[in-house]
Amino acid sequence: AQKVTQAQTEISVVEKEDVTLDCVYETRDTTYYLFWYKQPPSGELVFLIRRNSFDEQNEISGRYSWNFQKSTSSFNFTITASQVVDSAVYFCALSDYGGATNKLIFGTGTLLAVQP
Amino acid sequence: EPEVTQTPSHQVTQMGQEVILRCVPISNHLYFYWYRQILGQKVEFLVSFYNNEISEKSEIFDDQFSVERPDGSNFTLKIRSTKLEDSAMYFCASRGTEKETQYFGPGTRLLVL
Repeated sequence: AQKVTQAQTEISVVEKEDVTLDCVYETRDTTYYLFWYKQPPSGELVFLIRRNSFDEQNEISGRYSWNFQKSTSSFNFTITASQVVDSAVYFCALSDYGGATNKLIFGTGTLLAVQP
Repeated sequence: EPEVTQTPSHQVTQMGQEVILRCVPISNHLYFYWYRQILGQKVEFLVSFYNNEISEKSEIFDDQFSVERPDGSNFTLKIRSTKLEDSAMYFCASRGTEKETQYFGPGTRLLVL
């Protein structure tokens, strides 16, 4: 069965600190997708990144970076120099690859609070 | 930029009433989804829809739920007889091809009294 674990329920940092959000997943599939979504206080789900299981290159987008390690089944998300606007719940998610459904299996989310 | 839209943004209903939540997916997308998020909890898959039929549904999606694509643009979720535990945020999502990302609408917050 597929499962996503986000062990950190809440993280509080002060602005400009770096913060890493952890994500560990379980799947029997050899190919799959991993995602991060952001849910700000307004409630919508904002897509941040998708990673294929066969592409283990780390990715950087501005202040955001993602570290995918297949050996440890982890897909961690780092925000560098955090800002108050980064305050949100962040969800990691998993889906199969190339299937008819590709439903998303979400973790329980990490609430990030960035204090000014 | 194309986006998924949902109406209404909020709905309050009495237990036992029927509700219909509406979604307009991104226009050239082929795969459609409904997810649910009970307050403070994770987002859970309800149902996926492709080629005018359900492709997969979760245990949550029982006989009280149904989905429909009545025309070329709308995708609806109907709850036939609402229960208190149906109170949640309901998200619609759509995807273009098999290997593309799902994009979510802003959600409908349903409150059952």
